[in-house]
Amino acid sequence: AQTVTQSQPEMSVQEAETVTLSCTYDTSESDYYLFWYKQPPSRQMILVIRQEAYKQQNATENRFSVNFQKAAKSFSLKISDSQLGDAAMYFCALGSGTYKYIFGTGTRLKVLA
Amino acid sequence: EAQVTQNPRYLITVTGKKLTVTCSQNMNHEYMSWYRQDPGLGLRQIYYSMNVEVTDKGDVPEGYKVSRKEKRNFPLILESPSPNQTSLYFCASSLLGSRGGTDTQYFGPGTRLTVL
Repeated sequence: AQTVTQSQPEMSVQEAETVTLSCTYDTSESDYYLFWYKQPPSRQMILVIRQEAYKQQNATENRFSVNFQKAAKSFSLKISDSQLGDAAMYFCALGSGTYKYIFGTGTRLKVLA
Repeated sequence: EAQVTQNPRYLITVTGKKLTVTCSQNMNHEYMSWYRQDPGLGLRQIYYSMNVEVTDKGDVPEGYKVSRKEKRNFPLILESPSPNQTSLYFCASSLLGSRGGTDTQYFGPGTRLTVL
């Protein structure tokens, strides 16, 4: 069975500081995708960043970057220069060749002014 | 505008009264899926469809039905809703990944369902 685990229910960061959200996963597939989604209070699900498992280079999108460790099955999200608008629930997700899509339980990020 | 639409956005109903939540996408995506979101549990996949007339169960399919008669539409049917189906429901669509599997999900705005 495929799983996605987010072990941090809640994190806090000072504005302008850096924070890292953790995610581990398990799959027997060789090709898969990993994602971080953001869910602000509006409840809309927004893609933050995407990683293709066959690519060794870590994905980056402006202030957001990942640390993808394929052998360890780890996929953490780093947010640099945190802003008040980054406060949200963050979900790690796995999309694989089985066509199922698995989400973690989420990490609530609070940004302190 | 590329989007996934869901209707209704909010619904309060009673136990046993059949209901349908509609989902439509205008991006010509092959893959469509339904999720439910509950506090502390994240999003859990109910059903998904890889193409027209091809559907399969996700992790929590009990009590739900789906159909995919057209590429753009993927309705979720609750034939006899129960209070434990009170939840926030999301429809999503995506392309199939170039190397297989499911790629970025594009989500609808969500449907808040309450079953009394």
